[in-house]
Amino acid sequence: AQSVTQPDIHITVSEGASLELRCNYSYGATPYLFWYVQSPGQGLQLLLKYFSGDTLVQGIKGFEAEFKRSQSSFNLRKPSVHWSDAAEYFCAVRGGSNDYKLSFGAGTTVTVRA
Amino acid sequence: ETGVTQTPRHLVMGMTNKKSLKCEQHLGHNAMYWYKQSAKKPLELMFVYNFKEQTENNSVPSRFSPECPNSSHLFLHLHTLQPEDSALYLCASSQRLAEETQYFGPGTRLLVL
Repeated sequence: AQSVTQPDIHITVSEGASLELRCNYSYGATPYLFWYVQSPGQGLQLLLKYFSGDTLVQGIKGFEAEFKRSQSSFNLRKPSVHWSDAAEYFCAVRGGSNDYKLSFGAGTTVTVRA
Repeated sequence: ETGVTQTPRHLVMGMTNKKSLKCEQHLGHNAMYWYKQSAKKPLELMFVYNFKEQTENNSVPSRFSPECPNSSHLFLHLHTLQPEDSALYLCASSQRLAEETQYFGPGTRLLVL
């Protein structure tokens, strides 16, 4: 079964600074990978996903993520954060096109200081 | 705009109460999911329905009873819960069971006293 690790529980970043959130997965083949964001009191919103092809994927709100097979990683990045990016971020993995089960990491809380 | 609504948004109940959580999706999807989100733990998949048929029960205790009367509505009936059941319960839907994107509702924050 697949699993996801998000090593950072909490990250604080200054507004305008860059942000990188780490995600490592465990799966035998190439998984389907996702990043979701959860703002306070809200459900999860999909930021971006990777299935195949170009290993650098672009998402909404200026986020991007890079799939590195050799490192089993799918790190999320944003060049310049805005105060509205303060939220909890979840990395998730699915086993492939016929697997509907999403396995989530424990999440990383991002605080943005002025 | 997720198109998935959940009611109530907050619920406090005693251990002997019976209550129900409701989820409704306005997206025309055919698959619906219940997740449990506990503090500092990964989201746990509880139940999955596909075209109103239950396809997954992830070893959930019987005090949680799901119901899916049609593809647009999903309920979670709660009975004799324990304090450790306090959590955020999230509903999600997708066009097909293995559709890549699951759309989530805002969740119901449940507190069991």
